Amino acid sequence: KQEVTQIPAALSVPEGENLVLNCSFTDSAIYNLQWFRQDPGKGLTSLLLIQSSQREQTSGRLNASLDKSSGRSTLYIAASQPGDSATYLCALDDKIIFGKGTRLHILP
Amino acid sequence: NAGVTQTPKFQVLKTGQSMTLQCAQDMNHEYMSWYRQDPGMGLRLIHYSVGAGITDQGEVPNGYNVSRSTTEDFPLRLLSAAPSQTSVYFCASSSRDRGNQPQHFGDGTRLSIL
Repeated sequence: KQEVTQIPAALSVPEGENLVLNCSFTDSAIYNLQWFRQDPGKGLTSLLLIQSSQREQTSGRLNASLDKSSGRSTLYIAASQPGDSATYLCALDDKIIFGKGTRLHILP
Repeated sequence: NAGVTQTPKFQVLKTGQSMTLQCAQDMNHEYMSWYRQDPGMGLRLIHYSVGAGITDQGEVPNGYNVSRSTTEDFPLRLLSAAPSQTSVYFCASSSRDRGNQPQHFGDGTRLSIL
């Protein structure tokens, strides 16, 4: 059974810092990996989708990498801003299996 | 550009009552799914559908029924609500091009069972 783990569960960093969020999974036979953002009381917004044949995807200040052989993905956020404060979730495949997320707080 | 629309946004029920959570999407997506989100448990898949007339169970299907009579709609039914079903429910949709298209989520329905 596929399991998805996100570490750390919570993270606070000063504004302007670069940061990395981690996602690990147990079964490397995946079709894709998605990173989502969830604001309090809101739904999920897709940030980046990496297909299994890809190694990374970039959107603005966000860069997501995928290493299937090691069962890991990272979400890199450059020059963090207070507006980046949210919970970030990674998920695998079309019957989405979610990690429990990392709650990110950017300190002004 | 409506995307995925869930109604109602909030609902309070008494134990044993029934209700239907509505989900509609206007993107002509084949794939639709329902999740529940609970503190400490993350999001868990309840039921999903790969097209009209086709549904299947996810990780936590007990106590819930679904049907998919049209591409646009995927309602979730609670036949006899229980306090354990207190949760936030999310509906999602995506194109059937597996691996290539992101999931789109609704804003959720916050359900409390007394």
